[in-house]
Amino acid sequence: GDSVTQMEGPVTLSEEACLTINCTYTATGYPSLFWYVQYPGEGLQLLLKATKADDKGSNKGFEATYRKETTSFHLEKGSVQVSDSAVYFCALPPTLSGGYQKVTFGTGTKLQVIP
Amino acid sequence: SQTIHQWPATLVQPVGSPLSLECTVEGTSNPNLYWYRQAAGRGLQLLFYSVGIGQISSEVPQNLSASRPQDRQFILSSKKLLLSDSGFYLCAWSASGQGETQYFGPGTRLLVL
Repeated sequence: GDSVTQMEGPVTLSEEACLTINCTYTATGYPSLFWYVQYPGEGLQLLLKATKADDKGSNKGFEATYRKETTSFHLEKGSVQVSDSAVYFCALPPTLSGGYQKVTFGTGTKLQVIP
Repeated sequence: SQTIHQWPATLVQPVGSPLSLECTVEGTSNPNLYWYRQAAGRGLQLLFYSVGIGQISSEVPQNLSASRPQDRQFILSSKKLLLSDSGFYLCAWSASGQGETQYFGPGTRLLVL
């Protein structure tokens, strides 16, 4: 079945450091891929998405490229800020599978950025 | 534009008491609706989803139930809460059909004592 494997956290970085959070997936076909972000005490927000192979999603300085060869969608940012401290989820979209809506989220990676 | 509301924001309930969490969506019609639970320090667990009024599917067996009495209203309930029901409950919606992007509410933090 579909699945998402996400880099274990927590990740602690100093401000202005480079960030990479790894995400690999297993899915039928070439689904859209998503990164969601959850700031402390809040719900999830869509951070970025890519809808087909080689697409690059970007938002707020974050980027992720849809790599079908490696079935990966790693999240990157060149210079993190304290305000980026949050939990990041890699996800596949809801899809119909055998009559069921399947939604697959990674386990989440907590990022803490220290000044 | 579409918005999603959840209430209450925080709830403290004794074991064995009933529960009712409400989620409403504005600005869209016939959305797919979802209830998730996020236990402390853990990922998201899909509890229920709905593709239409009165149509509820459950992903995991539990003492919780869900109902969709109106197109844009999704309710999570329990007759008797357990300690293990504590967590952060998130409602989400996506466009009907093959859902793509999900949009999440602000969540309800439930503590069962």
